[in-house]
Amino acid sequence: NAGVTQTPKFRILKIGQSMTLQCTQDMNHNYMYWYRQDPGMGLKLIYYSVGAGITDKGEVPNGYNVSRSTTEDFPLRLELAAPSQTSVYFCASRRQGATDTQYFGPGTRLTVL
Amino acid sequence: DAKTTQPPSMDCAEGRAANLPCNHSTISGNEYVYWYRQIHSQGPQYIIHGLKNNETNEMASLIITEDRKSSTLILPHATLRDTAVYYCIVQKGSRLTFGEGTQLTVNP
Repeated sequence: NAGVTQTPKFRILKIGQSMTLQCTQDMNHNYMYWYRQDPGMGLKLIYYSVGAGITDKGEVPNGYNVSRSTTEDFPLRLELAAPSQTSVYFCASRRQGATDTQYFGPGTRLTVL
Repeated sequence: DAKTTQPPSMDCAEGRAANLPCNHSTISGNEYVYWYRQIHSQGPQYIIHGLKNNETNEMASLIITEDRKSSTLILPHATLRDTAVYYCIVQKGSRLTFGEGTQLTVNP
């Protein structure tokens, strides 16, 4: 199993540009998550999904959109990039059980200039 | 979710036990205590979790006080590769709420 994969690893955007961060998992996990991590801080939840076709907001959803058309994929869309979205983005997945643990991808480092 | 309090940093000598404390005084009866760690800038890695009993696995031990208001993660023989930020998280349901964690530095 490759686990949770994220692309790209690094990206520089200009203010106002759009992009999609890709996340794929091959563990047949129902739950998927997107977090962002600013320097020296813990992770903050952006959006999550409990299964294909179902998404919900986390703590910091503004400026982002998600979709979940398949079990494997959970892309995160930035429509109008702003400097405040400069961060490292992590995707995670887990099975459905109440105590199942989250598996994290390697992250995407995004800079908005 | 209940809030957790951890010291911002700790040091440990290589080969010694590292004991990382966490306070979670507002934890409720059905909330689990989870520990994750993040090495450098990698994605967080699960270590261990528990509800009320002490737990042990190949990575660490988790000691939860009887009143469940605090816990300690024990790395029995810390190595340089254990240098990381350790997060104590009280989880209810499907979401994790990360604090700022404890930066553990293992020194040679």
